[in-house]
Amino acid sequence: DAKTTQPPSMDCAEGRAANLPCNHSTISGNEYVYWYRQIHSQGPQYIIHGLKNNETNEMASLIITEDRKSSTLILPHATLRDTAVYYCIVRVRGTGGFKTIFGAGTRLFVKA
Amino acid sequence: DTGVSQDPRHKITKRGQNVTFRCDPISEHNRLYWYRQTLGQGPEFLTYFQNEAQLEKSRLLSDRFSAERPKGSFSTLEIQRTEQGDSAMYLCASSSGQGAGAFFGQGTRLTVV
Repeated sequence: DAKTTQPPSMDCAEGRAANLPCNHSTISGNEYVYWYRQIHSQGPQYIIHGLKNNETNEMASLIITEDRKSSTLILPHATLRDTAVYYCIVRVRGTGGFKTIFGAGTRLFVKA
Repeated sequence: DTGVSQDPRHKITKRGQNVTFRCDPISEHNRLYWYRQTLGQGPEFLTYFQNEAQLEKSRLLSDRFSAERPKGSFSTLEIQRTEQGDSAMYLCASSSGQGAGAFFGQGTRLTVV
């Protein structure tokens, strides 16, 4: 089972920042938080991941709380093409190592 | 193109037939994953490999499903005696190690009629 909880859907106005929350209260000290998104009919796309410190790349910023029990993915200037399902993931330890388990994600609608 | 590629992109088959899908990961990635996704749901984990070794299989992977990665490069997923419930998008992903993000292919959409 997925180790994260996310709101099922969110709206954002085009050009504004989209802030997508994620709760991962059972995260262990050495586990990373990963974010992916999936645009309709395409494979999931890796966005960013982090451990403790905030991270930024060309796609997004990841803010992780000090207790690491929650995080926020920030798309600074959302465009219509950012409409997608966003998945927050803390990997699950399996018999052969860590594996990525997807939950239901947050469906982000960016509106003009 | 140096991304993950999957072949075919679409497959329509009759119930009871066998199908095989291929995944070519990013060349330096030693981990390879298979997922299945049905409409409106997130991807479901099926199995993964580190190099040629299959490390874990989900209970979703019945005896009709088999996956291989014979030389630690490309992988195949075979479904024998397909059923209508096998209709889904089959996704492959690869990563360079335990801490790295995974990169997905565009998937193979299977329709069993």
